Amino acid sequence: QITLKESGPTLVKPTQTLTLTCTFSGFSFSTSGVGVGWIRQAPGKTPEWLALIYWNDIKRYRPSLKSRLTISKDTSKNQVVLTMTDMDPVDTATYYCAHRPQGFVGDYFDYWGQGTLVAVSS
Amino acid sequence: DIQMTQSPSSLSASVGDRVAITCQASLDVDDHLYWYQQKPGKAPKLLIYDASNLASGVPSRFSGSGSGTGFTFTISSLQPEDVATYYCQQSDYPPLTFGGGTKVEI
Repeated sequence: QITLKESGPTLVKPTQTLTLTCTFSGFSFSTSGVGVGWIRQAPGKTPEWLALIYWNDIKRYRPSLKSRLTISKDTSKNQVVLTMTDMDPVDTATYYCAHRPQGFVGDYFDYWGQGTLVAVSS
Repeated sequence: DIQMTQSPSSLSASVGDRVAITCQASLDVDDHLYWYQQKPGKAPKLLIYDASNLASGVPSRFSGSGSGTGFTFTISSLQPEDVATYYCQQSDYPPLTFGGGTKVEI
């Protein structure tokens, strides 16, 4: 059974750096094609994909946010970490991590964490 | 970015009704189109992958069709537990993008 859970601060100040950790179980990065992505959703808005890391350590970022995002994985801990610099109130959202199923065509997410609400305010 | 236009943005139907939602892509995305269901306060749940394939454990009243730029998501017989917002998502061109959502009510 695949599970994912996000952890990190619930409140950050403007200009600070956000660090979120996704801890997962039920799959491994040793499986070809597997990936973990981060998606956020501002209140009342549509989901917005942020980043994706694949089993082979290839990383993809949303172009408009690429300068602010870093995604990495710790295979030994079954964790994926997302950092976002220079946080702004418009970054207030629920942040989800999600599992990309194995396969070589098509990026989508079949298991999601419960999400963590991050507010940006001074 | 590829724009994914969903319609309608909301609908109200009766239990047992057939409900259809469309998703139009601004560029050809082949069959790299996915449908999610999101209930209030919950994470999105994958229903359909590769435009027409039912995800594991998803009831057969849900279906998807289409290819290229036009896609349709159908609930053959609406149930009370189907009240949710539904999103399409494409993965043919980065960045991955979602449609604006369709809120389904009874």
